Amino acid sequence: AQSVTQLDSQVPVFEEAPVELRCNYSSSVSVYLFWYVQYPNQGLQLLLKYLSGSTLVKGINGFEAEFNKSQTSFHLRKPSVHISDTAEYFCAVSGNQAGTALIFGKGTTLSVSS
Amino acid sequence: KAGVTQTPRYLIKTRGQQVTLSCSPISGHRSVSWYQQTPGQGLQFLFEYFSETQRNKGNFPGRFSGRQFSNSRSEMNVSTLELGDSALYLCASGHTPETQYFGPGTRLLVL
Repeated sequence: AQSVTQLDSQVPVFEEAPVELRCNYSSSVSVYLFWYVQYPNQGLQLLLKYLSGSTLVKGINGFEAEFNKSQTSFHLRKPSVHISDTAEYFCAVSGNQAGTALIFGKGTTLSVSS
Repeated sequence: KAGVTQTPRYLIKTRGQQVTLSCSPISGHRSVSWYQQTPGQGLQFLFEYFSETQRNKGNFPGRFSGRQFSNSRSEMNVSTLELGDSALYLCASGHTPETQYFGPGTRLLVL
C-alpha cells in the first residue's frame, strides 16, 4: 500500500522568503510523485511531477522539488515566495499504471504575509 | 482546449435524499476519476472509469456509484445522503495518473 505524509499542516512565511514544504511517502513499488496547489474554492492544479530520471524537478510558478529515494521524500521548495502563493499544497503518489489512483497527503497550508 | 467541467458547482441537499453530479472531461480523454475532499479525511479516491467501464474503486460504501457514457462524460450518484457526505467532489480526466487534470469541483452540503 502507498501512503503520503505531509509533515507540516501550516507553514507561515514572509513575502520574498524561501520556503520548503515537506513530503514523505511510503510504497513498495515504483511510484510517481506529484505536488498540487489548491486556491480557495478551486480545484487542484498540478505544480510538478516526478516520473523518472533527474531527481530535481522544476514546475510552474518557480517551484521545484527533489526526489530522494533513500529518504523516501519529495520536498517542495521555492526560493522567494509571493503573497499570491498563499494556498493549500498537496503531495500525492501513484503507481505507474493506467487507472491507478492518486493517494494524497493531508495538505499544507502556506500563508505568505507582507 | 476546454478544461474539465463539473456541474453543478454548488448543491444543497437534505439527509436521505440522493444526488447526481456530472463531469465532462477534456476532449479526447477517455478516463474520468472522482475524488472526495473533506476537512477531516482529506482527498480520497472514489472510482475511475475508462471507456464506460469502472477500472478502479476506492473504499467507499455502495451508496456511492458512478457511470460513464459513450462520450466519456461521467456521473456520480450518492444515495441516502448523510451529513458526512458534505464535501467537495473533484473530477479528473486523463488516461494515466501523470496526465490527469482536475475540474473545479462540486461542493455538496447535506443538511
